[in-house]
Amino acid sequence: NAGVTQTPKFQVLKTGQSMTLQCAQDMNHNSMYWYRQDPGMGLRLIYYSASEGTTDKGEVPNGYNVSRLNKREFSLRLESAAPSQTSVYFCASSDDRGVYEQYFGPGTRLTVT
Amino acid sequence: QKEVEQNSGPLSVPEGAIASLNCTYSDRGSQSFFWYRQYSGKSPELIMFIYSNGDKEDGRFTAQLNKASQYVSLLIRDSQPSDSATYLCAAITPFGNEKLTFGTGTRLTIIP
Repeated sequence: NAGVTQTPKFQVLKTGQSMTLQCAQDMNHNSMYWYRQDPGMGLRLIYYSASEGTTDKGEVPNGYNVSRLNKREFSLRLESAAPSQTSVYFCASSDDRGVYEQYFGPGTRLTVT
Repeated sequence: QKEVEQNSGPLSVPEGAIASLNCTYSDRGSQSFFWYRQYSGKSPELIMFIYSNGDKEDGRFTAQLNKASQYVSLLIRDSQPSDSATYLCAAITPFGNEKLTFGTGTRLTIIP
């Protein structure tokens, strides 16, 4: 099992450009999450999806959109990138049959110039 | 006040000693707690979770939970240089749509 995979690993964008970060999990988890991690700020939840077809805002949703394409895939879209969105983005998934422990993908390092 | 607080460190511990990492939380409704290890440039990796008062041991790691004091800790026995990383504490509140709240992490350095 690959666990949680993310693409791309690195990306540089110019201000105003758009892009989609892809995430997939092969653990048959219902819940999926997108976080950003910035120095001194810890992990902050952007959006999450408790099940296929549902999405909800987290702590810092402004400037982002998400799509839960199917049970395996959860994408994060930046419509018009801003330098403030320079960060490391992590996708995670969790099993709602247990204690909801989350498993993380390898991350995408995004720089917006 | 942040919901989950950790001392940011850095915490330096000699090799072979016990490293003690601490975390406090503000939401008394929090029921399960998680410790993640994150190496520089890598993603968080789950080490342990605990949801009952008391101690839970897994190899060199022991998680401790005191709900009355709203306090969670992680002890690492026989610390190794490979334990040098940032340790993240997280809490989950039931009926919170399975959302974890993370602390900002404690950076641990094991000195050979």
